[in-house]
Amino acid sequence: GAGVSQSPSNKVTEKGKDVELRCDPISGHTALYWYRQRLGQGLEFLIYFQGNSAPDKSGLPSDRFSAERTGESVSTLTIQRTQQEDSAVYLCASSLQGLNTGELFFGEGSRLTVL
Amino acid sequence: AQTVTQSQPEMSVQEAETVTLSCTYDTSENNYYLFWYKQPPSRQMILVIRQEAYKQQNATENRFSVNFQKAAKSFSLKISDSQLGDTAMYFCAFTVNTGNQFYFGTGTSLTVIP
Repeated sequence: GAGVSQSPSNKVTEKGKDVELRCDPISGHTALYWYRQRLGQGLEFLIYFQGNSAPDKSGLPSDRFSAERTGESVSTLTIQRTQQEDSAVYLCASSLQGLNTGELFFGEGSRLTVL
Repeated sequence: AQTVTQSQPEMSVQEAETVTLSCTYDTSENNYYLFWYKQPPSRQMILVIRQEAYKQQNATENRFSVNFQKAAKSFSLKISDSQLGDTAMYFCAFTVNTGNQFYFGTGTSLTVIP
């Protein structure tokens, strides 16, 4: 696609439910990132995928969070047993190579509201 | 620890005037890259300008320029001839050559007043 696509754009769920957020990166981009942005806050790193290498999961806040990516295509971020503190915008970004050699291209984010 | 500090949560500027957004960072690394990203109300972050730490010359992109002071670990963004479309959140960020993470500040909300 022309840009990074994320879905859903907005998601309202009840506490305790599981949610899946999807990211479709720019075709050919090997690196993919997930970030969390709470209201009025900066971006919090969650997870990084680079090609077929093992992902860097160091930013995932708890074992309720997981993410998958098949090859260099779509990624899914799953949050199990959602809590109100999970309410945030979840941003996905991709880049052509490793992060520090090129800019990140961001999607518009998925706004998650946990009631 | 790698940190980014943006001490100005909100700023405003008159259209056509110049405004400077401040950013300081902390890292023990010597090789890194610095960025300013813009996030308009549509939420999509876009790159404004990039600076390699090994370059002494300040980066410039049209109306946007930076003042990079490596010793002081300061990386401010100057917007000249401000336009209404510049209204957005601006995030300072950096990444080091040896890692995967991208460290972001908390952002500065800039409003351009007509």
